[in-house]
Amino acid sequence: QKEVEQNSGPLSVPEGAIASLNCTYSDRGSQSFFWYRQYSGKSPELIMFIYSNGDKEDGRFTAQLNKASQYVSLLIRDSQPSDSATYLCAVPSGGYNKLIFGAGTRLAVHP
Amino acid sequence: ETGVTQTPRHLVMGMTNKKSLKCEQHLGHNAMYWYKQSAKKPLELMFVYSLEERVENNSVPSRFSPECPNSSHLFLHLHTLQPEDSALYLCASSQDRAAGEEKLFFGSGTQLSVL
Repeated sequence: QKEVEQNSGPLSVPEGAIASLNCTYSDRGSQSFFWYRQYSGKSPELIMFIYSNGDKEDGRFTAQLNKASQYVSLLIRDSQPSDSATYLCAVPSGGYNKLIFGAGTRLAVHP
Repeated sequence: ETGVTQTPRHLVMGMTNKKSLKCEQHLGHNAMYWYKQSAKKPLELMFVYSLEERVENNSVPSRFSPECPNSSHLFLHLHTLQPEDSALYLCASSQDRAAGEEKLFFGSGTQLSVL
C-alpha cells in the first residue's frame, strides 16, 4: 500500500510568520504532488501542485519538492488567521486517476 | 449552478434503509470520484469513473453501489449500512488527463449517520 505521511499537528504559528507543512511519500515513482486546503466543515480545495524538483511559488504559497528524499513541503508566508485549516498532501498512487491523501496537518494561525 | 454539487448535505438512516447520494458536476469534466472521509483518517478513494466507465473499485463492500449514467452525474446507492459507515462522503470530478495530472474538484459532501 502506497503511503502518504503528514504530521497531524496542530501546528500553531503567530500571524505574519512562515508556516511550514511537510509530507513524505513512499512511492519513488510518484511524479506529481498536490496540496489541498480543507476548512472545518468544508470540502478540500486544491491550492498548489508541483511536478518538478525544486520550488514553485504562487502568491504567499511555495511548494518545495525533493524527490531524492521523498518529501514535499508547503510554505505559507505572512500567515493569516484565515489560513487556519487542515492541509492535505496528495500523491498519485501509480494507478490511473488514483490520488492517495495524507491524513492532513491542522494549522492554527493566532493573532 | 457551478462546480460540483452534492445532495443531500446531511443524511440519517437506519441499518435496514436504502438511500442514494447524488452528485452533479458543471465543469465539463469526464472523470468522477467517490471518497469517504472519516474522523482522524485520510480520505479514502472508493470509486472512480472515467468516461462513464468504472476504472477503480477500491475494495469497497457491496452495500455501496455506484452508478454513473453520464459524465455529469454520479450516484452512490446505499443499503444495509453499518454504524461504522458513518462518515463524510465526498464526490469529486476532474478532467481526464495523463496519469499524475489529476486535479480534483470536490463537492460539499454528504454527512452520513447510520443508526
